[in-house]
Amino acid sequence: DIQMTQSPSSLSASLGDSVTVTCRASQTIGRYLNWYHQKPGRAPKVLVFAASSLQAGLPSKFSGSGFGTEFTLTINDLQPEDFGTYYCQQTYVVPRTFGPGTKVEIK
Amino acid sequence: QVQLQESGPGLVKPWETLSLTCIVSGDSINSDYWAWIRQPPGKGLEWIGDVYYGGGTNYNPSLKSRVTISIHMSRTSFFLKLTSVTTADTAVYFCARAKTGSGHFLEFDSWGQGTLVTVSS
Repeated sequence: DIQMTQSPSSLSASLGDSVTVTCRASQTIGRYLNWYHQKPGRAPKVLVFAASSLQAGLPSKFSGSGFGTEFTLTINDLQPEDFGTYYCQQTYVVPRTFGPGTKVEIK
Repeated sequence: QVQLQESGPGLVKPWETLSLTCIVSGDSINSDYWAWIRQPPGKGLEWIGDVYYGGGTNYNPSLKSRVTISIHMSRTSFFLKLTSVTTADTAVYFCARAKTGSGHFLEFDSWGQGTLVTVSS
């Protein structure tokens, strides 16, 4: 199985800040990497697919980049609705593994 | 806009079979992959498996001997069966659509709200 790791595991940020979350794969996955945002008690929502393609209708404050084994998600101008947990997922091979998550909290 | 809704028992006894249905509305299962993902309380997401609209299946090897995912003949719902459950299978179970695009990228773009299944005697 491909193992996915994320850093940091949690972070605190203020409204208006920019934050970056990193995801690493244990072997190369090309651009087969999705990012999701989950709020407590809710289903995850996809933000980015294919490493850098923004989900339709999402604001450009979200951006994804990377290729191979290292990927980043950047969120600009952090707002209250952006807090929660962010997960990466590789869809290169089965099983389609998720990272452990990065919890973004209000400072 | 496709919508998904999970249904099934919220309580299953150890060593019995967990059976869930995902009802699909606003679309039919005539394209893409249709998946099950679970999340134990307070923990991260685990991909269980998915079924291609044409019928082919993919399963997580950690569950493969116990899991079956299938599509109803009406093509408006799909199922999850997990046999011989233990307390480790207690989780919120989500169904989702994985839309296929060029380059075989999968975008898990539509999710059900999730249903909590507790394994307990």
